[in-house]
Amino acid sequence: KQEVTQIPAALSVPEGENLVLNCSFTDSAIYNLQWFRQDPGKGLTSLLLIQSSQREQTSGRLNASLDKSSGRSTLYIAASQPGDSATYLCAVSLSGSRLTFGEGTQLTVNP
Amino acid sequence: DGGITQSPKYLFRKEGQNVTLSCEQNLNHDAMYWYRQDPGQGLRLIYYSQIVNDFQKGDIAEGYSVSREKKESFPLTVTSAQKNPTAFYLCASIGSGGANYGYTFGSGTRLTVV
Repeated sequence: KQEVTQIPAALSVPEGENLVLNCSFTDSAIYNLQWFRQDPGKGLTSLLLIQSSQREQTSGRLNASLDKSSGRSTLYIAASQPGDSATYLCAVSLSGSRLTFGEGTQLTVNP
Repeated sequence: DGGITQSPKYLFRKEGQNVTLSCEQNLNHDAMYWYRQDPGQGLRLIYYSQIVNDFQKGDIAEGYSVSREKKESFPLTVTSAQKNPTAFYLCASIGSGGANYGYTFGSGTRLTVV
C-alpha cells in the first residue's frame, strides 16, 4: 500500500527566505506526483504536476523535483511571501487515477 | 469559467439522518472523485467514478453512497450508517486526457453532526 509522508509538519519562516518542503513515498512505481496548496477552510489548488518521466517542474517562484528511485519529491519556494502561508499537500498516483495524499506541511511566512 | 461547484458550503446533520452533498463540474471531465479530510490529516478517498453509470469504492466507502447518472454530476450521500461523518468533503475531477492534466478540486463542503 502506498504511503506518503511530508516533512516537516509545520514550518515558520521570515519573509524573503527560500525554503524546501519534503515529500516521500513508499512505492516508487508512480504515474505522477502533484503538489497542492490549501488555504484554511478551502479546497485544493494545484501547483505543479510532475509526470513519472520528468525530473522537475517550475512555475514562477515554485520548483518541484522528483526522484522516483529514492521515492522523494521536494517543493522549493523562492523568496517566500506572507501570501504563501497555507498548507501544502503532496499526492502521488500509481495509475493516473486515484491519488494518495500526505498529511501536509503547514507553512507560515512572517512579515 | 470552468470548474467544480460543491454545495452547500456548510451542512448540518442530525443523528440518524441521510444527507446529500452536491458536486457539479462543467469541465467535460470523465472521472470524478470524493475525498474526506479530517483535521490535521491528508485526504482519504471515499468513492470515484471514471465514467457515467459506473463507480468504485475507495478506501473508506462504508456509510457512504454515490450515483453517476450524468457526466457533470457526482452526488455523495452520507447515510446514517456513517458513525463519524463530521469532516470536510472535497470533490475532484480529472480530464479524459488522463492524469496529464492533474486534478481540479471544488471548494468543499463542511459537514457537522448536531
